[in-house]
Amino acid sequence: QVLLEQSGTEVKEPGASVKVSCKTSGYTFTSYGISWVRQAPGQGLEWMGWISANNGNTIYAQKVQGRVTMATDTYTSTAYMELRSLRSDDTAMYYCARDSTPMVPLIAFDIWGQGTMVTVSS
Amino acid sequence: QSVLTQPPSVSGAPGQRVTISCTGSSSNFRADYDIHWYQQLPGAAPKLLIYRNINRPSGVPDRFSGSKSGTSASLAITGLQAEDEADYYCQSYDSSLSGYVVFGGGTKLTVL
Repeated sequence: QVLLEQSGTEVKEPGASVKVSCKTSGYTFTSYGISWVRQAPGQGLEWMGWISANNGNTIYAQKVQGRVTMATDTYTSTAYMELRSLRSDDTAMYYCARDSTPMVPLIAFDIWGQGTMVTVSS
Repeated sequence: QSVLTQPPSVSGAPGQRVTISCTGSSSNFRADYDIHWYQQLPGAAPKLLIYRNINRPSGVPDRFSGSKSGTSASLAITGLQAEDEADYYCQSYDSSLSGYVVFGGGTKLTVL
């Protein structure tokens, strides 16, 4: 069974950083890329970026470019997303999601993590 | 404001057929850009419903179908059931500077 298990709820002050983990299981980690998608309360889905679990290449959305870093640990089959200089409008549920096609990025996302709620508040 | 445009809400009675549209622009609705659809039940993560315009992942009932033509795509749900009440999102690729992956704003389906 393919699973993506994310780390728990975070509460951060404005200006701080947050790092969310996404531990995968049930498939060959290095064969699929991972995207990060966020959803502000009551709002739609917003793609933040993608990382290849094969070679670490990344693509970031223009909106978060410069504040986000995505990484992977192939030994633990875990993906990470760090967002810096947090603002109140970064308050959202953050999801990791797996590419649907091995070695072909950004076609669709077939498996999603359960989500990590990040609240930015003073 | 989303790059892909969906109606905010649709509704239908049990057993009926509903469709959800998704329209875009020349930067995200090219012939070689696929449309994918996701279902998000209340309080849950999104679930892939349709990929590459018309394909259903295993386990998705054939009551759900997708189509794409020109600069629009549609998700159709036949034999509407109470458990279909959810938010639905279309997704595609975008060649503009705004980003590579774009989602529609989402459509809330209410089963009357």
